[in-house]
Amino acid sequence: EIVLTQSPGTLSLSPGERATLSCRASQSVSSNFLAWYQQKPGQAPRLLIYGASSRATGIPDRFSGSGSGTDFTLTISRLEPEDFAVYYCQQYGSSPLTFGGGTKVEIK
Amino acid sequence: QVQLVQSGAEVKKPGASVRVSCKPSGYTFTAYYMHWVRQAPGQGLEWMGRIHPNSGDTNYAQKFQGRVTMTRDTSISTAYMELSRLRSDDTAVYYCARGLYDYSGYYPYWGQGTLVTVSS
Repeated sequence: EIVLTQSPGTLSLSPGERATLSCRASQSVSSNFLAWYQQKPGQAPRLLIYGASSRATGIPDRFSGSGSGTDFTLTISRLEPEDFAVYYCQQYGSSPLTFGGGTKVEIK
Repeated sequence: QVQLVQSGAEVKKPGASVRVSCKPSGYTFTAYYMHWVRQAPGQGLEWMGRIHPNSGDTNYAQKFQGRVTMTRDTSISTAYMELSRLRSDDTAVYYCARGLYDYSGYYPYWGQGTLVTVSS
């Protein structure tokens, strides 16, 4: 099973700042099959990025994904008030599909 | 538009079973795998397995093997997830989710979630 470790656990930033979230895999993610989700309290996760770097439909271009192999990054170029939430990475290249523990982006 | 509507919250005693339903609309039910993901209170996401509604083929995470059963009823286009021998640490929100394509393992479509509480 591929273990995904996200860092930091919490990121305290102000609106307008840049957020950089990390996701490290215990082994190489096949075909860079890595996704990112945003989750707000009481809501289902929302797909942001798939294939490590492809934005899902309707996702603003301030969200971008990068990386390959075992190291992946989600960048939010300028934080908007609605971006404060928990973010999860997920690998879907091998079974079982696994998720990281999450990074909470909170208002500083 | 694709929507996944799940059954309502459940309260169960330890050792009991629970069945959660997921009824999609907006696409052909039998054309896409349905996945199940759970989230314990304040915790992360955990993939439980998937079912293909056309064939009934299932793949379960090893952690749940022997306790989870995923089924479907094509006559009413509904998928089910049953978890048996419930324990307190099975208390969680259970989601059904669908991939963008049949074999996609990433999920643009989610149900609203079903809270299952296991308590004596």
